[in-house]
Amino acid sequence: QKEVEQDPGPLSVPEGAIVSLNCTYSNSAFQYFMWYRQYSRKGPELLMYTYSSGNKEDGRFTAQVDKSSKYISLFIRDSQPSDSATYLCAMVGGTSYGKLTFGQGTILTVHP
Amino acid sequence: DSGVTQTPKHLITATGQRVTLRCSPRSGDLSVYWYQQSLDQGLQFLIQYYNGEERAKGNILERFSAQQFPDLHSELNLSSLELGDSALYFCASSVEAGSNEQFFGPGTRLTVL
Repeated sequence: QKEVEQDPGPLSVPEGAIVSLNCTYSNSAFQYFMWYRQYSRKGPELLMYTYSSGNKEDGRFTAQVDKSSKYISLFIRDSQPSDSATYLCAMVGGTSYGKLTFGQGTILTVHP
Repeated sequence: DSGVTQTPKHLITATGQRVTLRCSPRSGDLSVYWYQQSLDQGLQFLIQYYNGEERAKGNILERFSAQQFPDLHSELNLSSLELGDSALYFCASSVEAGSNEQFFGPGTRLTVL
């Protein structure tokens, strides 16, 4: 079993929809949680970085962490075609700072 | 543009060969990380350097090695290449050692035939 599980999708939504992307993890040592966006043929780009359980908002993006359930989510409001990309969750913890463990990535397409 | 540069963009080679991938971190960043991205394994951490010294290792094969030079650029050497080594190789950088906020380069696509 992988330490981080992420539904690969693909996920296809109409413009303006609310998108929910999710990851579950098994390693209790994970303390820091990140969401990266990766456009086709590009490197991953850091979107959100959270530490504690709860919500963190940045514009149309909200990252949610539930450490008790080992579950993290990324919500995208008012989705745009430019949001079409692969979204990767990543996490790290314990003594492994810097050694990010990634989910498989979810492919999102927002159609006009 | 993250400020991290990687060369070459694409590399096509044969099994058994050796290749070198190059990475220049963002200006001011001392730490460099290497990752491999393949369809079946996803994005996996390989190795980290900080100011010229190896700091952390992931599931890096013995056929692979890396180093960071005094000017802070890094090279990833892959030898005795196998078909399964075909993947995207990303370099990331950060200011601090072991930072969770890493900035990724555009990657090098390696194809082993």
